[in-house]
Amino acid sequence: DTGVSQDPRHKITKRGQNVTFRCDPISEHNRLYWYRQTLGQGPEFLTYFQNEAQLEKSRLLSDRFSAERPKGSFSTLEIQRTEQGDSAMYLCAGSGQGTTGELFFGEGSRLTVL
Amino acid sequence: SQQGEEDPQALSIQEGENATMNCSYKTSINNLQWYRQNSGRGLVHLILIRSNEREKHSGRLRVTLDTSKKSSSLLITASRAADTASYFCATAASGNTPLVFGKGTRLSVIA
Repeated sequence: DTGVSQDPRHKITKRGQNVTFRCDPISEHNRLYWYRQTLGQGPEFLTYFQNEAQLEKSRLLSDRFSAERPKGSFSTLEIQRTEQGDSAMYLCAGSGQGTTGELFFGEGSRLTVL
Repeated sequence: SQQGEEDPQALSIQEGENATMNCSYKTSINNLQWYRQNSGRGLVHLILIRSNEREKHSGRLRVTLDTSKKSSSLLITASRAADTASYFCATAASGNTPLVFGKGTRLSVIA
Protein backbone atom coordinates (compact mmCIF):
# COMPACT_ATOMS: atom_id res chain seq x y z
CA ASP A 1 0.00 0.00 0.00
CA THR A 2 1.62 3.26 -1.19
CA GLY A 3 -0.76 5.48 0.75
CA VAL A 4 -2.01 7.14 -2.44
CA SER A 5 -5.74 6.73 -2.89
CA GLN A 6 -7.86 7.30 -5.97
CA ASP A 7 -11.60 7.60 -6.30
CA PRO A 8 -13.61 6.22 -7.93
CA ARG A 9 -11.83 2.98 -8.84
CA HIS A 10 -14.22 2.35 -11.71
CA LYS A 11 -16.44 4.70 -13.68
CA ILE A 12 -18.74 3.84 -16.55
CA THR A 13 -20.24 6.78 -18.38
CA LYS A 14 -21.96 7.62 -21.62
CA ARG A 15 -20.26 9.56 -24.35
CA GLY A 16 -20.65 13.29 -23.84
CA GLN A 17 -20.88 13.17 -20.06
CA ASN A 18 -18.36 14.81 -17.72
CA VAL A 19 -16.34 12.77 -15.23
CA THR A 20 -14.07 13.74 -12.36
CA PHE A 21 -11.39 11.68 -10.67
CA ARG A 22 -9.80 12.44 -7.34
CA CYS A 23 -6.35 11.59 -6.02
CA ASP A 24 -5.19 11.88 -2.41
CA PRO A 25 -1.42 11.56 -2.07
CA ILE A 26 0.35 11.29 1.25
CA SER A 27 1.20 14.58 2.93
CA GLU A 28 4.92 14.35 2.10
CA HIS A 29 4.26 14.27 -1.64
CA ASN A 30 5.02 17.75 -2.93
CA ARG A 31 4.77 16.51 -6.48
CA LEU A 32 1.68 14.89 -7.93
CA TYR A 33 1.46 13.32 -11.37
CA TRP A 34 -1.38 12.14 -13.58
CA TYR A 35 -0.81 9.40 -16.15
CA ARG A 36 -3.13 7.60 -18.52
CA GLN A 37 -2.74 3.94 -19.44
CA THR A 38 -4.56 2.00 -22.12
CA LEU A 39 -4.63 -1.77 -22.42
CA GLY A 40 -1.25 -3.28 -23.27
CA GLN A 41 0.56 0.04 -23.10
CA GLY A 42 2.71 1.80 -20.55
CA PRO A 43 1.52 4.85 -18.63
CA GLU A 44 1.54 8.10 -20.62
CA PHE A 45 2.24 11.36 -18.84
CA LEU A 46 -0.59 13.88 -18.69
CA THR A 47 0.36 16.58 -16.19
CA TYR A 48 2.09 17.25 -12.89
CA PHE A 49 1.95 19.62 -9.96
CA GLN A 50 4.57 20.93 -7.59
CA ASN A 51 2.44 21.77 -4.56
CA GLU A 52 -0.50 23.71 -6.06
CA ALA A 53 1.32 24.85 -9.21
CA GLN A 54 0.69 22.93 -12.42
CA LEU A 55 4.17 22.83 -13.92
CA GLU A 56 3.80 20.80 -17.07
CA LYS A 57 1.05 19.52 -19.34
CA SER A 58 1.35 16.94 -22.08
CA ARG A 59 -0.01 17.47 -25.58
CA LEU A 60 -2.30 14.54 -24.71
CA LEU A 61 -4.15 16.85 -22.34
CA SER A 62 -6.70 18.34 -24.71
CA ASP A 63 -8.86 21.30 -23.75
CA ARG A 64 -11.49 18.81 -22.54
CA PHE A 65 -9.16 17.82 -19.73
CA SER A 66 -8.48 19.95 -16.68
CA ALA A 67 -6.57 19.20 -13.53
CA GLU A 68 -6.35 21.07 -10.27
CA ARG A 69 -4.56 20.73 -6.99
CA PRO A 70 -6.00 23.32 -4.64
CA LYS A 71 -3.89 24.00 -1.56
CA GLY A 72 -1.32 21.48 -2.75
CA SER A 73 -3.10 18.51 -1.21
CA PHE A 74 -5.56 16.35 -3.15
CA SER A 75 -5.93 16.68 -6.91
CA THR A 76 -8.79 16.31 -9.34
CA LEU A 77 -8.77 15.43 -13.02
CA GLU A 78 -11.92 16.34 -14.95
CA ILE A 79 -12.78 15.18 -18.43
CA GLN A 80 -15.55 17.09 -20.15
CA ARG A 81 -17.67 15.74 -23.02
CA THR A 82 -16.11 12.30 -22.78
CA GLU A 83 -15.34 10.35 -25.94
CA GLN A 84 -14.86 6.61 -26.37
CA GLY A 85 -11.16 7.22 -26.88
CA ASP A 86 -10.95 8.50 -23.31
CA SER A 87 -11.54 4.97 -22.02
CA ALA A 88 -8.40 4.13 -20.05
CA MET A 89 -6.92 3.74 -16.59
CA TYR A 90 -6.08 7.10 -15.05
CA LEU A 91 -3.19 6.80 -12.63
CA CYS A 92 -2.11 9.26 -10.00
CA ALA A 93 1.35 9.21 -8.44
CA GLY A 94 3.07 11.24 -5.78
CA SER A 95 6.70 11.90 -5.00
CA GLY A 96 8.77 13.93 -2.62
CA GLN A 97 10.44 17.19 -3.45
CA GLY A 98 13.63 17.19 -5.41
CA THR A 99 14.84 15.42 -8.48
CA THR A 100 12.66 12.92 -10.30
CA GLY A 101 12.84 9.89 -8.08
CA GLU A 102 10.55 7.11 -7.06
CA LEU A 103 6.86 7.54 -7.82
CA PHE A 104 4.19 6.18 -5.50
CA PHE A 105 1.17 5.18 -7.56
CA GLY A 106 -2.41 4.81 -6.55
CA GLU A 107 -4.49 1.88 -7.76
CA GLY A 108 -5.92 3.91 -10.60
CA SER A 109 -9.37 4.94 -11.80
CA ARG A 110 -10.65 2.91 -14.72
CA LEU A 111 -12.90 4.84 -17.09
CA THR A 112 -15.18 3.18 -19.60
CA VAL A 113 -17.00 5.45 -22.03
CA LEU A 114 -19.94 3.80 -23.79
CA SER B 1 5.41 9.53 -26.51
CA GLN B 2 7.14 6.55 -24.94
CA GLN B 3 10.89 6.72 -24.79
CA GLY B 4 11.64 3.30 -23.35
CA GLU B 5 11.19 0.16 -25.37
CA GLU B 6 11.16 -3.11 -23.44
CA ASP B 7 12.17 -6.40 -24.94
CA PRO B 8 10.72 -8.98 -25.06
CA GLN B 9 7.07 -7.89 -25.05
CA ALA B 10 6.16 -11.14 -23.32
CA LEU B 11 8.15 -13.78 -21.48
CA SER B 12 7.05 -17.12 -20.07
CA ILE B 13 9.33 -19.12 -17.78
CA GLN B 14 9.19 -21.90 -15.21
CA GLU B 15 9.35 -21.19 -11.51
CA GLY B 16 12.96 -21.13 -10.31
CA GLU B 17 14.36 -19.89 -13.61
CA ASN B 18 15.84 -16.44 -14.11
CA ALA B 19 14.00 -13.78 -16.09
CA THR B 20 15.80 -11.07 -18.03
CA MET B 21 14.08 -8.03 -19.50
CA ASN B 22 15.74 -5.32 -21.53
CA CYS B 23 14.98 -1.66 -22.02
CA SER B 24 16.33 0.68 -24.67
CA TYR B 25 15.84 4.42 -24.68
CA LYS B 26 16.60 7.27 -27.03
CA THR B 27 17.82 10.37 -25.24
CA SER B 28 20.23 11.04 -22.39
CA ILE B 29 18.88 10.41 -18.93
CA ASN B 30 19.27 11.44 -15.31
CA ASN B 31 18.05 8.11 -14.02
CA LEU B 32 16.22 4.96 -15.10
CA GLN B 33 13.65 3.14 -12.99
CA TRP B 34 11.86 -0.18 -13.14
CA TYR B 35 8.28 -0.68 -12.03
CA ARG B 36 6.03 -3.68 -11.68
CA GLN B 37 2.28 -3.79 -12.30
CA ASN B 38 -0.07 -6.61 -11.43
CA SER B 39 -3.11 -6.87 -13.67
CA GLY B 40 -5.56 -4.05 -13.07
CA ARG B 41 -3.49 -2.50 -10.29
CA GLY B 42 -1.22 0.49 -9.88
CA LEU B 43 2.52 0.44 -10.50
CA VAL B 44 5.02 -0.40 -7.79
CA HIS B 45 8.55 0.96 -7.83
CA LEU B 46 11.25 -1.70 -7.88
CA ILE B 47 14.59 0.00 -8.33
CA LEU B 48 16.23 3.23 -9.51
CA ILE B 49 19.64 3.46 -11.15
CA ARG B 50 21.34 6.78 -11.79
CA SER B 51 23.14 7.67 -15.00
CA ASN B 52 26.54 7.42 -13.30
CA GLU B 53 25.85 3.91 -11.97
CA ARG B 54 26.40 0.71 -13.92
CA GLU B 55 24.80 -1.95 -11.74
CA LYS B 56 22.48 -2.15 -8.79
CA HIS B 57 21.03 -4.98 -6.71
CA SER B 58 17.94 -5.28 -4.57
CA GLY B 59 17.07 -8.71 -3.23
CA ARG B 60 16.47 -10.99 -6.22
CA LEU B 61 16.66 -8.04 -8.62
CA ARG B 62 19.73 -6.96 -10.53
CA VAL B 63 19.68 -3.93 -12.82
CA THR B 64 22.40 -2.87 -15.21
CA LEU B 65 22.71 0.36 -17.14
CA ASP B 66 24.82 1.01 -20.23
CA THR B 67 24.53 4.69 -21.11
CA SER B 68 26.75 4.30 -24.18
CA LYS B 69 24.23 1.85 -25.64
CA LYS B 70 21.25 3.60 -24.06
CA SER B 71 20.05 0.34 -22.59
CA SER B 72 19.24 -1.30 -19.29
CA SER B 73 18.41 -4.81 -18.18
CA LEU B 74 16.41 -6.18 -15.27
CA LEU B 75 17.25 -9.65 -14.02
CA ILE B 76 14.94 -11.47 -11.63
CA THR B 77 16.65 -14.51 -10.17
CA ALA B 78 14.94 -17.66 -8.91
CA SER B 79 11.55 -16.50 -10.15
CA ARG B 80 8.33 -17.32 -8.33
CA ALA B 81 4.74 -17.54 -9.53
CA ALA B 82 4.08 -14.33 -7.59
CA ASP B 83 6.51 -12.50 -9.91
CA THR B 84 3.93 -12.80 -12.70
CA ALA B 85 3.23 -9.20 -13.70
CA SER B 86 4.09 -6.52 -16.26
CA TYR B 87 7.43 -4.79 -15.85
CA PHE B 88 8.07 -1.27 -17.11
CA CYS B 89 11.20 0.77 -17.43
CA ALA B 90 10.91 4.53 -17.06
CA THR B 91 13.41 7.28 -17.73
CA ALA B 92 13.87 10.80 -16.43
CA ALA B 93 15.69 13.06 -18.89
CA SER B 94 16.67 15.47 -16.16
CA GLY B 95 16.15 16.00 -12.46
CA ASN B 96 12.84 17.77 -12.95
CA THR B 97 11.24 16.11 -15.93
CA PRO B 98 8.40 13.60 -15.56
CA LEU B 99 9.13 9.92 -15.98
CA VAL B 100 8.52 8.49 -19.44
CA PHE B 101 7.47 4.83 -19.46
CA GLY B 102 7.97 2.08 -22.00
CA LYS B 103 5.31 -0.37 -23.14
CA GLY B 104 6.38 -3.06 -20.73
CA THR B 105 7.25 -6.75 -20.65
CA ARG B 106 4.56 -9.20 -19.56
CA LEU B 107 6.18 -11.90 -17.45
CA SER B 108 4.44 -15.17 -16.73
CA VAL B 109 6.04 -17.52 -14.21
CA ILE B 110 4.57 -20.99 -14.35
CA ALA B 111 4.54 -23.06 -11.16
